Amino acid sequence: DAKTTQPNSMESNEEEPVHLPCNHSTISGTDYIHWYRQLPSQGPEYVIHGLTSNVNNRMASLAIAEDRKSSTLILHRATLRDAAVYYCILRDVLSGNKLVFGAGTILRVKS
Amino acid sequence: GAGVSQTPSNKVTEKGKYVELRCDPISGHTALYWYRQSLGQGPEFLIYFQGTGAADDSGLPNDRFFAVRPEGSVSTLKIQRTERGDSAVYLCASSLNGGLRGETQYFGPGTRLLVL
Repeated sequence: DAKTTQPNSMESNEEEPVHLPCNHSTISGTDYIHWYRQLPSQGPEYVIHGLTSNVNNRMASLAIAEDRKSSTLILHRATLRDAAVYYCILRDVLSGNKLVFGAGTILRVKS
Repeated sequence: GAGVSQTPSNKVTEKGKYVELRCDPISGHTALYWYRQSLGQGPEFLIYFQGTGAADDSGLPNDRFFAVRPEGSVSTLKIQRTERGDSAVYLCASSLNGGLRGETQYFGPGTRLLVL
């Protein structure tokens, strides 16, 4: 599975937008970009995923670079409940049953 | 509806003992996954079941670890001769079909295992 690179930690103020970057320069044409997050003392939960086009859902937006070598998870208005570890994961559509997690980005939200 | 449940939530055992960790997936989900998470790290894949069979056990660290899913629903992760290095949170996840298009995995809260 291709590797991803994320900042170790980021900080945001409550009610402000948050942009969480992810680099995946070795992404292949069959890799989907998935984001999961893990709140304290819980299992990971799905956030969003995409292939080439930008994606929006009720939780977040995913902006994918034109060359697909990077992507950004956007939380439009951070709340205290968004404080979590965010994982950017590449999943090969041909063999992507398991999730390969990196260390993720710890997001801290200040009130 | 009910999510993925795992029991026990916490388990303390002594080095050398045998432990069993249980996972109840979401009803109707045919795919089940086990992961292990050490402190400060992301979860690490252990094994994936499609129905009753282990479709991918490449993440099991050694032969002390074994998992079963005899009826295609509940799964048990078994660890023999536990070592202190086995201390971690063991996470279970399930997905509807385990299909190749990378469908969403739903995680349980985990079992925190401490080996003294």
